[in-house]
Amino acid sequence: DTEVTQTPKHLVMGMTNKKSLKCEQHMGHRAMYWYKQKAKKPPELMFVYSYEKLSINESVPSRFSPECPNSSLLNLHLHALQPEDSALYLCASSQDNSGSAKNIQYFGAGTRLSVL
Amino acid sequence: AQTVTQSQPEMSVQEAETVTLSCTYDTSESDYYLFWYKQPPSRQMILVIRQEAYKQQNATENRFSVNFQKAAKSFSLKISDSQLGDAAMYFCAYRRGDDMRFGAGTRLTVKP
Repeated sequence: DTEVTQTPKHLVMGMTNKKSLKCEQHMGHRAMYWYKQKAKKPPELMFVYSYEKLSINESVPSRFSPECPNSSLLNLHLHALQPEDSALYLCASSQDNSGSAKNIQYFGAGTRLSVL
Repeated sequence: AQTVTQSQPEMSVQEAETVTLSCTYDTSESDYYLFWYKQPPSRQMILVIRQEAYKQQNATENRFSVNFQKAAKSFSLKISDSQLGDAAMYFCAYRRGDDMRFGAGTRLTVKP
């Protein structure tokens, strides 16, 4: 089972709304990632969690707030977003975040977010 | 920062033929990993093949193989016997530690 599940698949929100994206994996992976992908562009790394601790924050605005409640679950809390934040948000997980050959990232299908 | 360059925004191949997608990268490190991911319209990024930089032997996965030239920092993907299901966006990626960088992608069209 190499499944990373993201919910919801689609989300439309206003600029004053608060919403959350959810990502779940049951592969026993200890590293989880959030990426942002604009249309016709490659994914860009936002956050990395390793053993439930934030290890990388790629200068993401504070209106994006990640949370890792346990090793299987990763959330991305959204508040006061801008229309330019509309994108596909991808979650990924890997066994760990070391330089090991086993550190393959498995991706979810993403949440398509539209900010009005 | 490491950069990954895919110089072919779009490629087209006839079904059952072979196509090669190009990728170059820039790094001063000697220990890293390279990947090709496929993203079909379903949006999910699917790992196609990976290469450890310390291995000289080119990776192969069924119809997919790579030509890894470490000195030239080149990592091309060859798809043999192309199938309609191979149509997708293909991203080359460089990873060191938990930091992964993607190229801009190549859209592959497969003609029946």
